Amino acid sequence: AQTVTQSQPEMSVQEAETVTLSCTYDTSESDYYLFWYKQPPSRQMILVIRQEAYKQQNATENRFSVNFQKAAKSFSLKISDSQLGDAAMYFCAYQRVVGNLIFGKGTKLSVKP
Amino acid sequence: DTGVSQNPRHKITKRGQNVTFRCDPISEHNRLYWYRQTLGQGPEFLTYFQNEAQLEKSRLLSDRFSAERPKGSFSTLEIQRTEQGDSAMYLCASSQPGTGKTQYFGPGTRLLVL
Repeated sequence: AQTVTQSQPEMSVQEAETVTLSCTYDTSESDYYLFWYKQPPSRQMILVIRQEAYKQQNATENRFSVNFQKAAKSFSLKISDSQLGDAAMYFCAYQRVVGNLIFGKGTKLSVKP
Repeated sequence: DTGVSQNPRHKITKRGQNVTFRCDPISEHNRLYWYRQTLGQGPEFLTYFQNEAQLEKSRLLSDRFSAERPKGSFSTLEIQRTEQGDSAMYLCASSQPGTGKTQYFGPGTRLLVL
């Protein structure tokens, strides 16, 4: 069975600084998808970024980028130029080619002004 | 596109009562997923539909839980004889057909069982 581990329950970053959230996963499959979702307090889950396992190039979306290390089964999220609105729970998720998402326990990110 | 909508947003019920939640997916999304999220945890998969067919159910989905998606549009999740342990946020997500498609989430229904 696939598992997703987020080892940082909480992280803090100064506004305008850079922070990296860690995620590792376990799977025996070679083709899969990885996601980072953001869940602000009392608000709905929003997709931040996605990565296809067959792509070697790391995905980027504006201030968000990932470091995907397939052999190490690592998928970290880097947030550059952090903003107050980035404060939220961040969930790493794994998806087989077809099927449900498997989530980690999340990392609570605080942004200090 | 309007997003995924869920109703009600909040539900308080007494132990032993039945509750039903509704999810309306993004139009033309033929896949629909239900997840449960307890405080401080990531969402856990319950079940998913492709059109009207329920293709997979988690072992978390006990006999008291039933989900339907008549006509492949909206879906309902019913919990019979609720227990205090059923208190959670119930999330619905939908996606387009195809492999590795992004799932878009609704705002969730927060259930409190007293």
